[in-house]
Amino acid sequence: GAGVSQSPSNKVTEKGKDVELRCDPISGHTALYWYRQSLGQGLEFLIYFQGNSAPDKSGLPSDRFSAERTGGSVSTLTIQRTQQEDSAVYLCASSFNQWTVEQYFGPGTRLTVT
Amino acid sequence: AQKITQTQPGMFVQEKEAVTLDCTYDTSDQSYGLFWYKQPSSGEMIFLIYQGSYDEQNATEGRYSLNFQKARKSANLVISASQLGDSAMYFCAMREGTASGTYKYIFGTGTRLKVLA
Repeated sequence: GAGVSQSPSNKVTEKGKDVELRCDPISGHTALYWYRQSLGQGLEFLIYFQGNSAPDKSGLPSDRFSAERTGGSVSTLTIQRTQQEDSAVYLCASSFNQWTVEQYFGPGTRLTVT
Repeated sequence: AQKITQTQPGMFVQEKEAVTLDCTYDTSDQSYGLFWYKQPSSGEMIFLIYQGSYDEQNATEGRYSLNFQKARKSANLVISASQLGDSAMYFCAMREGTASGTYKYIFGTGTRLKVLA
């Protein structure tokens, strides 16, 4: 398909384990965004990439969170030593570039930390 | 203080009628952007409409229009001729520039709209 894809769609992990969430943006989109949506809440902006560079990492909730993007395409969001409060849906979006207003969202990864 | 405030947790509207979803925002920036997104029960976020802070005309996209009142810091979404498929969660969001020249995005808590047949 031509849309943004995310994997896995669901992830259940034990507290303390590390998890990696993957996002594959729309081909040709240079900007990629990560958001977190906790149950019944709005979206919390985490980080964005323009190309392979993340200009501002201050939105990441703690130093257990990291993100990288290689080759200007796929991005991974890694959460180390997961905690129960990390349980949420993690949404990825992409846009043509960081100045483009329309973002295209993926279906999300539902993370449950037990 | 909330940067994006959506005061209506839930709204009902009769099919074919118009509905206004409220959004107020707080920023000290001169240059910013305001967005509305739709999130159906399937979970996928769908971009609806955008208004730049310097745009003099209210943004319109089909049945969606954004009632931008800069002095009041409000950016209400108006949906005309509501359809059953409009039933969803609606989020107002703002894009602000940062001192380092990057952007950050702030979302409201959403309004759940139910269209009645």
